[in-house]
Amino acid sequence: NAGVTQTPKFQVLKTGQSMTLQCAQDMNHEYMSWYRQDPGMGLRLIHYSVGAGITDQGEVPNGYNVSRSTTEDFPLRLLSAAPSQTSVYFCASSEGQGFRTDTQYFGPGTRLTVL
Amino acid sequence: EDKVVQSPLSLVVHEGDTVTLNCSYEVTNFRSLLWYKQEKKAPTFLFMLTSSGIEKKSGRLSSILDKKELSSILNITATQTGDSAIYLCAVLQGAQKLVFGQGTRLTINP
Repeated sequence: NAGVTQTPKFQVLKTGQSMTLQCAQDMNHEYMSWYRQDPGMGLRLIHYSVGAGITDQGEVPNGYNVSRSTTEDFPLRLLSAAPSQTSVYFCASSEGQGFRTDTQYFGPGTRLTVL
Repeated sequence: EDKVVQSPLSLVVHEGDTVTLNCSYEVTNFRSLLWYKQEKKAPTFLFMLTSSGIEKKSGRLSSILDKKELSSILNITATQTGDSAIYLCAVLQGAQKLVFGQGTRLTINP
């Protein structure tokens, strides 16, 4: 299993550009999430999905869009990039509800810079 | 507002010392508390705690949850330079919403 994969690893955008960060998992996990990590702020939840076709907002959803058309993929779209979106983005997945299956597995991250 | 607070934010010790990292939380719909270790890249899972007073151990690391005090501690004994990392505490709410603390940056000097 490749686990959770993210592409690209690095990206530089200009203000106003749009782009999609890709996330895929091959563990047949129902739950997938996107986080951003900024210095001194820990990880903050952007959006999450409890299964194909179902998404919900997290703590900091503004400026981002998600969809979940398949179990495997959970792309994050930046609609019009702003310098405040400069961050490291992590995608995570977990098997499902239940204490034994709550462990979230993280992808390697995408470092995004918006100029 | 849901929040998770870790202390200290930064800690520098010598190899062989024992350290205790703290995590306190105020969240609705608590399900479990998780500890992660983050080195250069993605966080890696250490422990998940759901029941109060039951210690979880993995080698030199151990952790315990106190639901009455809304807190958890992570202990590392006989620290090694490889333990240098950011340690993250997170609380799982409801349907897979994780709320993270700011992290504790631990540096172990030889």
